[in-house]
Amino acid sequence: EADIYQTPRYLVIGTGKKITLECSQTMGHDKMYWYQQDPGMELHLIHYSYGVNSTEKGDLSSESTVSRIRTEHFPLTLESARPSHTSQYLCASSAGEGRETQYFGPGTRLLVL
Amino acid sequence: KNQVEQSPQSLIILEGKNCTLQCNYTVSPFSNLRWYKQDTGRGPVSLTIMTFSENTKSNGRYTATLDADTKQSSLHITASQLSDSASYICVVSDRGSTLGRLYFGRGTQLTVWP
Repeated sequence: EADIYQTPRYLVIGTGKKITLECSQTMGHDKMYWYQQDPGMELHLIHYSYGVNSTEKGDLSSESTVSRIRTEHFPLTLESARPSHTSQYLCASSAGEGRETQYFGPGTRLLVL
Repeated sequence: KNQVEQSPQSLIILEGKNCTLQCNYTVSPFSNLRWYKQDTGRGPVSLTIMTFSENTKSNGRYTATLDADTKQSSLHITASQLSDSASYICVVSDRGSTLGRLYFGRGTQLTVWP
């Protein structure tokens, strides 16, 4: 079992609310990632980070933002949640070069009403 | 366009039976191919990883094969158990970027019945 944690596991929230999805890993990995996954669909990369103070947007356009102030912490924030943001959000991390195996957290299932 | 296609989309088998899942990809230049298992409501967990020079890799009852010439991979599950019920995702990495871009299939949803 990988040492990568996400909270909350489930979140139901109203439109317009600001939310932060937490992701922490204790493996000392430099690279961290956020993916969005809808039921029956593939994972889409929305943000990634090479290390502290490094953040990049992924392939799928997202209105969310991320920060990387500490190696172990990679939170994702939505300033104003909308129903279109309803999805599962998966955080992952990897060591060394980008082609190393990524270890995934359990995910956060977000429902925006 | 780099893509990963998996078949079948879903599969139901009886406990104790074997099954084979397929993955075809067009990712180039190819770096490696991974099979992940994703239980419902959980994050994916890596089962196997194969590079260009490897054509088979086993992990317990899971055996993955890779044909880099035809760009096909399969995951064979032997003597299935109820706990094998999950989505199995094929993930291909390219070597054309520093990040090691990952391309995900949509997964095969396997259900094992008692």
